[in-house]
Amino acid sequence: GDSVTQTEGLVTVTEGLPVMLNCTYQTAYSDVAFFWYVQYLNEAPKLLLRSSTDNKRTEHQGFHATLHKSSSSFHLQKSSVQLSDSALYYCALSVYNQGKLIFGQGTKLSIKP
Amino acid sequence: EAAVTQSPRNKVAVTGGKVTLSCNQTNNHNNMYWYRQDTGHGLRLIHYSYGAGSTEKGDIPDGYKASRPSQENFSLILELATPSQTSVYFCASGGRQISNERLFFGHGTKLSVL
Repeated sequence: GDSVTQTEGLVTVTEGLPVMLNCTYQTAYSDVAFFWYVQYLNEAPKLLLRSSTDNKRTEHQGFHATLHKSSSSFHLQKSSVQLSDSALYYCALSVYNQGKLIFGQGTKLSIKP
Repeated sequence: EAAVTQSPRNKVAVTGGKVTLSCNQTNNHNNMYWYRQDTGHGLRLIHYSYGAGSTEKGDIPDGYKASRPSQENFSLILELATPSQTSVYFCASGGRQISNERLFFGHGTKLSVL
């Protein structure tokens, strides 16, 4: 079946440095969309960014991600992290007309001053 | 901003007891979802619904039932609660084509089964 894998449970980065959170997926479908959701402490998850176009960079709030269907990846990157970026990040997959969102295991991003 | 409200926010239940988690959304979304969140597993889909009267099994439906009596309300029911169902439960709503739209989540219900 369809699945999303986030291999890092915890990523710790010093403020001002870059970060990349890994996301890979498996699906037999070609009509798919990908998402990054962010969940701050004691809050609900909310959408950070979305993409369905191969090799096109998507940006929001200083974060960016590019869908690479050739490598089945949708990694999240930021060039310079801030303390306020500390949160739990989820990668997710949606297949068109299936009506559901499949999430990865989540990666906790911790920023050190 | 779409509003999704869950109740209760915290619940302590006994093993073997019945638990009902409620969710209400005020944005006339067709689709609603129940997820549970556990460290190391992320958000896992339990049940979802395309509209009033419909429920669909998600990836981990065993031990759970769902009910969608109206467009606004979607309940998750644990008929015989077990300690393994201790978790944080999130309800979410979204439009008809969620591949093009985002989900709106409630703030979660923390359930402890003793």
